[in-house]
Amino acid sequence: DSGVTQTPKHLITATGQRVTLRCSPRSGDLSVYWYQQSLDQGLQFLIQYYNGEERAKGNILERFSAQQFPDLHSELNLSSLELGDSALYFCASSVDRGGQETQYFGPGTRLLVL
Amino acid sequence: GQSLEQPSEVTAVEGAIVQINCTYQTSGFYGLSWYQQHDGGAPTFLSYNGLDGLEETGRFSSFLSRSDSYGYLLLQELQMKDSASYFCAVRDRGRRDDKIIFGKGTRLHILP
Repeated sequence: DSGVTQTPKHLITATGQRVTLRCSPRSGDLSVYWYQQSLDQGLQFLIQYYNGEERAKGNILERFSAQQFPDLHSELNLSSLELGDSALYFCASSVDRGGQETQYFGPGTRLLVL
Repeated sequence: GQSLEQPSEVTAVEGAIVQINCTYQTSGFYGLSWYQQHDGGAPTFLSYNGLDGLEETGRFSSFLSRSDSYGYLLLQELQMKDSASYFCAVRDRGRRDDKIIFGKGTRLHILP
């Protein structure tokens, strides 16, 4: 158990819909990352927040958005869903030890778009 | 552009040693990490190299050569439970952006 929690574990929805994925980082971790993992694309970095502010951005679609709240939990919003958005979505939190950043991954949310 | 290359599959025998290579191309290299992922599970952190050289953590070691844009993960005394996918990842802090890039993963098969 990494200490990072994600809800829900599974999500089934239809094309065109909007969903929200939630992540709670490990106690004390200020950074939250979001990743998408699909069979053909591997693990894709979406976005990072640090203490409520956007820190780094990957290939996140405009239909996707995220935020980190004052209590440090984060939400990833996916809208106008397409079949290709079906994937495993991971959240990770990190601690920086003298320049070494160790990420701890949550169990993931499996999204199926029908 | 930015890219990481690692072999898609590697097969080794239980008790042996295996090396998984990773070459990268980035604009602003800031550390190479390795992660293990079992089927159906989440990635777990194994090792990090920010500077050239070897880092050892138990049966796992990782090496980095920044001049060659190359690193590897070395797994010793292989056990059946080491059968998993292994990903290298690079933090790329360029002038205009900051992102994390993962390789496509190396699936390690271990034979008894």
